[in-house]
Amino acid sequence: KAGVTQTPRYLIKTRGQQVTLSCSPISGHRSVSWYQQTPGQGLQFLFEYFSETQRNKGNFPGRFSGRQFSNSRSEMNVSTLELGDSALYLCASSGGFGGNTEAFFGQGTRLTVV
Amino acid sequence: GEDVEQSLFLSVREGDSSVINCTYTDSSSTYLYWYKQEPGAGLQLLTYIFSNMDMKQDQRLTVLLNKKDKHLSLRIADTQTGDSAIYFCAEIGTDKLIFGTGTRLQVFP
Repeated sequence: KAGVTQTPRYLIKTRGQQVTLSCSPISGHRSVSWYQQTPGQGLQFLFEYFSETQRNKGNFPGRFSGRQFSNSRSEMNVSTLELGDSALYLCASSGGFGGNTEAFFGQGTRLTVV
Repeated sequence: GEDVEQSLFLSVREGDSSVINCTYTDSSSTYLYWYKQEPGAGLQLLTYIFSNMDMKQDQRLTVLLNKKDKHLSLRIADTQTGDSAIYFCAEIGTDKLIFGTGTRLQVFP
């Protein structure tokens, strides 16, 4: 059974640009969550999607957005990049926290904004 | 508020036991998790415990839960150099995981 796949693994962007990250969850999982990890702030929740609907959103500016497709794959987009957006972006796949107990993470996408 | 706390560092000798502690705030959390992160990698789910349990053992890992004190611990028996990593505890919030700051475990020979 394939794990959670995030692409790309590494990305370098310039301030002001926009970026799209992709996450393919484990087959059969309908929930995808996104987290930002930085040395200063730790792991911060961005948003969670379940069956194409955003159910929860963290405290991030509107420049951070996401969506989920009918096959449960999810993308997150960051527009007008700032230096502080440099981070490891992790996505987690689960059956949905209301039922399934386990959330599995991908390897992450390391975004560097220069 | 939502806040999960962990000590930042732990250093142990190879072969000894490691105990990583965590305190959480949401008494309604149904599940509590331990994740491991190695350098440059994502988060690996190690184990989890349901809130109505006091203890869970899985090979070298033992999780203890004290609901009264909202205290969670992870004990690693016979710690190996390959156990060197950052360990995160997490509780379930509303459709999300709330993570602790992570404890960096260093194992020395």
